[in-house]
Formats: sequence, C-alpha cells, structure tokens
Amino acid sequence: DVKVTQSSRYLVKRTGEKVFLECVQDMDHENMFWYRQDPGLGLRLIYFSYDVKMKEKGDIPEGYSVSREKKERFSLILESASTNQTSMYLCASSLQRRTSILYNEQFFGPGTRLTVL
Amino acid sequence: GNSVTQMEGPVTLSEEAFLTINCTYTATGYPSLFWYVQYPGEGLQLLLKATKADDKGSNKGFEATYRKETTSFHLEKGSVQVSDSAVYFCALPLGGGGADGLTFGKGTHLIIQP
Repeated sequence: DVKVTQSSRYLVKRTGEKVFLECVQDMDHENMFWYRQDPGLGLRLIYFSYDVKMKEKGDIPEGYSVSREKKERFSLILESASTNQTSMYLCASSLQRRTSILYNEQFFGPGTRLTVL
Repeated sequence: GNSVTQMEGPVTLSEEAFLTINCTYTATGYPSLFWYVQYPGEGLQLLLKATKADDKGSNKGFEATYRKETTSFHLEKGSVQVSDSAVYFCALPLGGGGADGLTFGKGTHLIIQP
C-alpha cells in the first residue's frame, strides 16, 4: 500500500513563528504536492515538486516555501506564520510514468490541522 | 488548463435513498477523471476513476460514467448508508503545462441521516 505520512496531525503555533510541515512517501513517487483546504474553497495547490530540488508554484504560494532534498520527503515552510494561514494542510504524491495505470492518481496523507494564534 | 465544477452542498439524505452528485468538466482531450472521498478527520482517498470516454468507474456501491458528450462524471449510489457521510471531490488533471497535478472541485458535503 502506498503510504504518505505527515509529521503532525495537529499543530498550534504563534504569529511570526517559522513552521515546518513534513511529508514522507514510501512508494518512490516522483511528484509531490502541498495543498491547503478551507471550508467553501476546496483544495488549493500551494506548491508541487516533480523531482529532487525542483519546485513549482501552485495557485497560492505567497507566504510559503518548500524544500525537497530527498525524493521521498517534501517539506512546506511557513516563514512567518500568520493567522490567515490557519488551515488544513494536505500532502500528496503521484507517479510520473504515463504508461502506469496509476498515472495521475494522487495519494494523500492524513493532513495537518494548523492553528496560528 | 482544465477545470471542474461540482454541485455544492451540504446534501442531506435519508438512509437507503438514491444519491447523485453532479460533476462537469472542461478539458483538452480526454483526460482521466476521478472521484475522491474525505471522511471526517482524514485525508482524501480515491473512490473511483475512469481513464477513457464511456468507461464506468465503480467502488463500494458508487458508480460514475465518463460522458464526453455532456462532459460529465456524475457520482451515483443506489442506496446510501450513514457511513457514506463524507465530503466528495471530483478531479481531473490540470492539463497544459501543469505537470501531473490535479484540479479539484470544491467538494460536496454529504450527510446521511438514519
């Protein structure tokens, strides 16, 4: 079974703190994604990565950065947390191989509910 | 890029009722289509998918047919259970230069009452 794990299920931080959210997948997937989920807005893509040390901005990258030093690990960084970053954060991974039956299918972690006070 | 529109909820039904959640899309070509489900407090998990036109995806009693004529992928279930209460997302590949990402609908919150 594909497994995507996230470092914390719940996190409480203070305004201005630097926050690290970690995601690890064990299926050798090339692509990894960070989303945030808010009521009424659905899932919005923050950043994604298609290879080690590569990253691409999604729809809402402002206030975030990412790091991918190893293929299995993708970190989301809030440089200076603000209250409007209180949200559910979801990590996902997928294969790049177009001949695979699993192509385009994304596998999600359980999510991290972040509260910024 | 591609886009998806799904009916927004909440949708409240009684147990054993028939369910339809509408999903329509705009896409270049004929990409794969997906339904994901999110149970309370959890991440998203794949419910079903269809990889080409006229395909029917099915899982756990849910079905959806890839209709290219109407650009739709409606989710149906003949008899819902309380345990089906969750948020359902329709999704398809971003398309264009969006690498291998997916674009999601805003989600439909389904509530099943005993």
